[in-house]
Amino acid sequence: GESVGLHLPTLSVQEGDNSIINCAYSNSASDYFIWYKQESGKGPQFIIDIRSNMDKRQGQRVTVLLNKTVKHLSLQIAATQPGDSAVYFCAESGGTSYGKLTFGQGTILTVHP
Amino acid sequence: GAGVSQTPSNKVTEKGKYVELRCDPISGHTALYWYRQSLGQGPEFLIYFQGTGAADDSGLPNDRFFAVRPEGSVSTLKIQRTERGDSAVYLCASSSDGNSGNTIYFGEGSWLTVV
Repeated sequence: GESVGLHLPTLSVQEGDNSIINCAYSNSASDYFIWYKQESGKGPQFIIDIRSNMDKRQGQRVTVLLNKTVKHLSLQIAATQPGDSAVYFCAESGGTSYGKLTFGQGTILTVHP
Repeated sequence: GAGVSQTPSNKVTEKGKYVELRCDPISGHTALYWYRQSLGQGPEFLIYFQGTGAADDSGLPNDRFFAVRPEGSVSTLKIQRTERGDSAVYLCASSSDGNSGNTIYFGEGSWLTVV
């Protein structure tokens, strides 16, 4: 998997704005993608997932977009709230070991009231 | 239980000591995973169990690390001769099975500090 240092990308938004968090993945054989939210001192929390046969999936206030051509994934959060502040990770899996998630670089989202 | 449960939540041990970290997956989940997360990084895969057997242990860093799941439910991650570099959060996760699209749920982790 990818490894990153301590300098994670950051995104600061105002409460009520829409947020877009981006992720590039590396394995063209991956066919399942997940977004996780991680608050300080807690484990990753599932947000939304998408399979490679789709390019868009919507949940409650969240949308995931998948562009397989350029191996890019994005998470859109509508009407961002202070409670959305956290580190967001994308993860990919596929092939014969779907449980072996490879996590991408996290993004720190800060929502200002 | 309602979610993945991990104990202890925090463990401080001296270099060279042996530690065990326990994971109780969501009831009925046959797939169980261990990950390790260092500060500022995403979780890194260690090992995956399907039932009692290790389906993929390619992420274990060396032979000091070992995991078991003897009855297909609770799992224990065992670390021998701990080193300061082993300090990290050890995350356990489970899913209904190991197939694609089955949500993988994480526990809150066990924070290991080796001094």
